[in-house]
Amino acid sequence: DTAVSQTPKYLVTQMGNDKSIKCEQNLGHDTMYWYKQDSKKFLKIMFSYNNKELIINETVPNRFSPKSPDKAHLNLHINSLELGDSAVYFCASSPLAGAGELFFGEGSRLTVL
Amino acid sequence: AQTVTQSQPEMSVQEAETVTLSCTYDTSESDYYLFWYKQPPSRQMILVIRQEAYKQQNATENRFSVNFQKAAKSFSLKISDSQLGDAAMYFCAYRRPRGGADGLTFGKGTHLIIQP
Repeated sequence: DTAVSQTPKYLVTQMGNDKSIKCEQNLGHDTMYWYKQDSKKFLKIMFSYNNKELIINETVPNRFSPKSPDKAHLNLHINSLELGDSAVYFCASSPLAGAGELFFGEGSRLTVL
Repeated sequence: AQTVTQSQPEMSVQEAETVTLSCTYDTSESDYYLFWYKQPPSRQMILVIRQEAYKQQNATENRFSVNFQKAAKSFSLKISDSQLGDAAMYFCAYRRPRGGADGLTFGKGTHLIIQP
């Protein structure tokens, strides 16, 4: 019954590898987001999608590529991983209309060795 | 662009006491939304309280209340009767009106320690 679910919760990998994080929401929301939380706990938006369409693409290396197969799913693929990519990545969703809160997944901790 | 500032990296309070976490923000909008999120060690982001800027009344949720000063662009969180389970990172966040896909702008967080 989890509203926003991410997999995997933990990911440890070597530099140069490619990895993906998957996100699904069952809230019927139109908009989904990826946030990055760095080692200092700062949360910064990376991408937002509305109904499968990319809306926001912050200054993020193009090694990061989001993909939204439908409005309930937003995946994050990262190519050629670097040490600095180590962080917690949060998926979130919200209805497009109105300005309610965002609903967050549990986060995926990525560690690049 | 909107900015959110939390000037207290860490706060400590005795169990059962009251603590206030500060937040200021900068915006040119007149209507917007403000939130406090809690992030315990489990990492989950939990909504604590929300405030619509057009509402003059301060929001309250059980032991949690806010002091919203629109002219001063200040949005502090008061936790009464602090409990051990309140220990967490607390983030103040802003969302512009009809925010659409803009999401939230977060402050850098305040680490709240509860002393037993």
